[in-house]
Amino acid sequence: GQNIDQPTEMTATEGAIVQINCTYQTSGFNGLFWYQQHAGEAPTFLSYNVLDGLEEKGRFSSFLSRSKGYSYLLLKELQMKDSASYLCAVRGNAGNMLTFGGGTRLMVKP
Amino acid sequence: GAGVSQSPRYKVAKRGQDVALRCDPISGHVSLFWYQQALGQGPEFLTYFQNEAQLDKSGLPSDRFFAERPEGSVSTLKIQRTQQEDSAVYLCASSQTGGGNEQFFGPGTRLTVL
Repeated sequence: GQNIDQPTEMTATEGAIVQINCTYQTSGFNGLFWYQQHAGEAPTFLSYNVLDGLEEKGRFSSFLSRSKGYSYLLLKELQMKDSASYLCAVRGNAGNMLTFGGGTRLMVKP
Repeated sequence: GAGVSQSPRYKVAKRGQDVALRCDPISGHVSLFWYQQALGQGPEFLTYFQNEAQLDKSGLPSDRFFAERPEGSVSTLKIQRTQQEDSAVYLCASSQTGGGNEQFFGPGTRLTVL
C-alpha cells in the first residue's frame, strides 16, 4: 500500500525559513514531487527528486533520502504569498499516477 | 492552450443526477490523469490515460464513475446517479509522457451534490 505523512499545519514568520517534512512508505518508488496549492486553485509544481540529495531552485529546496523514506521542502526568505498548502506526492512503480499526502497548510505571519 | 482547462468550474447537482466534467489538457500531452480532492485533503488518484487508452482505472470509487478520452485529447469524467459523498473538487492533470515529467493541473471542477 501507499502511506504518505506530512504535518497538517505549520506557522512561520515573514522572512524566516521553514522546513516541511514528508515521510512515505510506498510499494515501489519512482520519484517524489512537491506541489504548492493556494486555496481554490490548481496545484502548481515546485520540485522533483528521484535521487538522494538536495535540489535547489531559488528560495525553494527539496531533499530526498530514499533509504529513510523521507523528504523535506525548505522555503527561505518567507513571503506572505507563500501562505498555501504544500503537497508531497510519490510516484510508485505501478504506473505514472501520483499518491499524495494530505498536504501541509502553511500560514506566514508578518 | 496555455494550460490545462476544465469545465464547468462549479457544478451543483441534485442527488441521483448524472454529471459530466470536461478536461482540455495541454496540447501534445500524452498522459492525462483525473484526481478527486476532498476539502482539506490531498488529491486522490482516479484514473489515467495514455493517448486514448485508459491504462489504469483502479482509483474509480464505484461503477458509477466512468472516464473516456476517445481521440487522445479532451477527456470527460462522468458520474452517474450522483451521491452526496461524490461532492469534491475533481482535478485533471496532463504531462508530456511518464517518467520524470511533472504533471500540470487544471483549476478543477467543484462538484456539490445536494
